[in-house]
Amino acid sequence: EVQLVESGGGLVQPGGSLRLSCAVSGFTFKSYWMSWVRQAPGKGLEWVANIKQDGSETYYVDSVRGRFTISRDNAENSLYLQMNSLRAEDTAVYYCARDEAAAGTVHFAHWGQGTRVTVSS
Amino acid sequence: DIQMTQSPSSLSASVGDRVTITCRASHSLSGYLNWYQQKPGKAPKLLIFSTSSLQTGVPSRFRGSGSGTDFTLTITSLQPEDFATYYCQQTFSNLFTFGQGTKLEI
Repeated sequence: EVQLVESGGGLVQPGGSLRLSCAVSGFTFKSYWMSWVRQAPGKGLEWVANIKQDGSETYYVDSVRGRFTISRDNAENSLYLQMNSLRAEDTAVYYCARDEAAAGTVHFAHWGQGTRVTVSS
Repeated sequence: DIQMTQSPSSLSASVGDRVTITCRASHSLSGYLNWYQQKPGKAPKLLIFSTSSLQTGVPSRFRGSGSGTDFTLTITSLQPEDFATYYCQQTFSNLFTFGQGTKLEI
C-alpha cells in the first residue's frame, strides 16, 4: 500500500524557518517525481514545488522561489521542504504527493494526510 | 504561468441532478488536465486525469471532457457523497496550477 506521511509542521514566527518531511512507503520512491502542495485556511489548493527522481531538477511556484528548497533522500525514502523567511501567507496545510506519469501527462493519485504550518508572532 | 479559472465558484444541487463544472486555461493544455475532489479536512482525491481518463475506483458518473483551453467535469445523477469541493489542475507546464475550486452544496 502506498503511504505518504508528512511531519514537521508547527507554529513559527515570521522570518523563521521550518523543515517539512514526507516519509514514503509501499513503492519505489527513487522512481517518481514528487511534489508539495499547500492549502491556506479556507482557500484552494496551490502547487508549491516538485523534484525529479534523482533530485537534478526542481521547480517552484513564484511565491516561494528563493525561500523554499525541495529535496529528497532516496536512501531514506524521504522528501523534504526547507522553508526559510516564512511569511504569514505561507500559513497552510502542506501535502506531499506522488507525481504519476501516464500517456505523457502528470497527475497526483497519492497524497499524504498533510501537516499544518502556522506563521504568526 | 498558466492561469486556471473554474466556474461556478459554488453550486447548489440536489441528489439525482446532473451538474457540470467548467475550467478554462490561459494557454492550451494539450489535454494535460486533471480533476480532484476534496472533502473537509481530507486530502484531495484524484477523479479524472488527462482530460477524460477515469481514475481506478471512481464511479462512472464522473466524466471529463474538453480540449485546448476549455474543459468540463460532469457528474451525472449526484449522490450524497458527491457534495464536496472540486478542483481542476493543469500539468502542461512545468509549474503546475490548480483552479480556485468549485464548492458543490446540497
